[in-house]
Amino acid sequence: EDQVTQSPEALRLQEGESSSLNCSYTVSGLRGLFWYRQDPGKGPEFLFTLYSAGEEKEKERLKATLTKKESFLHITAPKPEDSATYLCAVQSGATNKLIFGTGTLLAVQP
Amino acid sequence: DAGVTQSPTHLIKTRGQHVTLRCSPISGHKSVSWYQQVLGQGPQFIFQYYEKEERGRGNFPDRFSARQFPNYSSELNVNALLLGDSALYLCASSLGLTGANVLTFGAGSRLTVL
Repeated sequence: EDQVTQSPEALRLQEGESSSLNCSYTVSGLRGLFWYRQDPGKGPEFLFTLYSAGEEKEKERLKATLTKKESFLHITAPKPEDSATYLCAVQSGATNKLIFGTGTLLAVQP
Repeated sequence: DAGVTQSPTHLIKTRGQHVTLRCSPISGHKSVSWYQQVLGQGPQFIFQYYEKEERGRGNFPDRFSARQFPNYSSELNVNALLLGDSALYLCASSLGLTGANVLTFGAGSRLTVL
């Protein structure tokens, strides 16, 4: 059964304090691994898609990496506006169905 | 271009009632999916529709149903509401089915069942 586990559940950082979020997954036939950002009361906002082990993508202070069993979202010198829940999801099989983890709630304090 | 739009944004129902949620996808997107997100959890897959046909169904009871219209908009219906149906219902659209399709989500419909 396809499964996604994210850690930690919550993370509190000081502004400028870099860290990483983890997403471990088991899936048959990975079509893509997705990272989304979700602000309170809003829908998830797309950040990255990773397709194969060894792939990396960057956007501003965020960098996502992928191995055969996990993905990391690295946050470099975060700012308070980076505070949000970060969701990891995998897509497999013949449909667009996404299987999400429970997310990491990130709080960046000034 | 408008993103994925959902209505209503908030609604309150009582147990046993039914609810209809609506979604308009991004122009050109032919696939619509529905997800349920309970507070503190990740979204859970309910349905996917492509070209007006159901292409996937999650582990939800038959009280949940959906359909897609010729203009690719979609409705999610939930009958005999239970307290546990209280959640944020998210609609997502994508271009098609093949490859790793990016799903673009709407802001959701917040359902509270009393």
